[in-house]
Amino acid sequence: SYELTQPPSVSVSPGQTASITCSGDKLGDKHVCWYQQKPGQSPVLVIYEDIKRPSGIPERFSGSNSGNTATLTISGTQAVDEADYYCQAWDSRTVVFGGGTKLTVL
Amino acid sequence: QVQLVESGGGVVQPGRSLRLSCVGTGFTFNNYDMHWVRQAPGKGLEWVAVISYDGSDKYYADSVKGRFTISRDNSKNTVYLQMNSLRAEDTAVFYCAKSIWYGMDVWGQGTTVTVS
Repeated sequence: SYELTQPPSVSVSPGQTASITCSGDKLGDKHVCWYQQKPGQSPVLVIYEDIKRPSGIPERFSGSNSGNTATLTISGTQAVDEADYYCQAWDSRTVVFGGGTKLTVL
Repeated sequence: QVQLVESGGGVVQPGRSLRLSCVGTGFTFNNYDMHWVRQAPGKGLEWVAVISYDGSDKYYADSVKGRFTISRDNSKNTVYLQMNSLRAEDTAVFYCAKSIWYGMDVWGQGTTVTVS
């Protein structure tokens, strides 16, 4: 079965750029979404179709996808961005999530 | 306001059944595919199943295939998840989510299922 691999944790200083990667075989041929989940809350879509931001998502969130790796980039990271982030893609009529990355802003 | 509200969770013994419901409001329900996604305590997101906008196509994760059934009633703006032969490892918060191109743009608050 298809797998998406994320680093378990990423740390960033406030105001700096955070990059969270998601790796999978020929992932660049698929469309990737990213979700943010804060403790005790439901996930929120922050990027879809690799690079698009839903309305209401700050411009500091951006995405890219090429080769075997998709990347979620948060520019000018704020304390409020501390959360778990999950990548997601479709494969053979099923949905796959990455294992999640805990972003710490310190 | 687009909203999804799940219900039907609870504590159930192993081997028993449970049916979850999810009501969608604020959007044209019968235009959208719908998903169920679960999250075990302290774990990541796990996709469970998806149903097409008209109910004609259904796909499942291998972990639930043959035990869970997704269905919908567009006259009631509701999607269901019938869960049979429940196992301890099915313990999770279950979310329903509205489909957008290749993703899920609206999520419910979740309903908790405990198999014990």
